Amino acid sequence: SQQGEEDPQALSIQEGENATMNCSYKTSINNLQWYRQNSGRGLVHLILIRSNEREKHSGRLRVTLDTSKKSSSLLITASRAADTASYFCATDADGYNKLIFGAGTRLAVHP
Amino acid sequence: DAMVIQNPRYQVTQFGKPVTLSCSQTLNHNVMYWYQQKSSQAPKLLFHYYDKDFNNEADTPDNFQSRRPNTSFCFLDIRSPGLGDAAMYLCATSTSTGKGSYTFGSGTRLTVV
Repeated sequence: SQQGEEDPQALSIQEGENATMNCSYKTSINNLQWYRQNSGRGLVHLILIRSNEREKHSGRLRVTLDTSKKSSSLLITASRAADTASYFCATDADGYNKLIFGAGTRLAVHP
Repeated sequence: DAMVIQNPRYQVTQFGKPVTLSCSQTLNHNVMYWYQQKSSQAPKLLFHYYDKDFNNEADTPDNFQSRRPNTSFCFLDIRSPGLGDAAMYLCATSTSTGKGSYTFGSGTRLTVV
């Protein structure tokens, strides 16, 4: 299976702290994407990083990609209670035209 | 706005009674996907259509089938729903350009009673 692993499975922090989530995958990829999902709701696309990129920023989000280690990290800086959600990485594998999701990290940000 | 629409938002079906979930798109994307997401788990790809070509994931149960009558519509048929099929079903679309742009619908939450 191409499906990646994420760690930690759950993360609990205080507002204002940074949250870091990690993702590992198994195959060559075109790109890696991060999604957020609030409880019982649909997926929200956060950021896409291509295989030839090493780092990308979007607002309070910072994503890194290390293709040699087949891993990525998502950093949320200055977290807010509204960031409480599940976060999934998803890989768009080379030549497959499909998105495969990692297991996800459940983030809880406490006021 | 161009989008992916899933109907209904919530579906209740009886154990063993066939049910169909629908997905439509206004993006004119040539690839459409169905994912199953059980509670507290990651979305799991069931199958996808690349134009009219159907691609089934190896571990998708035979109980799940799909139809794509045209570019805009795709249906998920569950022939004999079991309690274990209760989940959120997500439809998504993309182009085949490899640029990584996927658009997800809001999902249909299926309850089996």
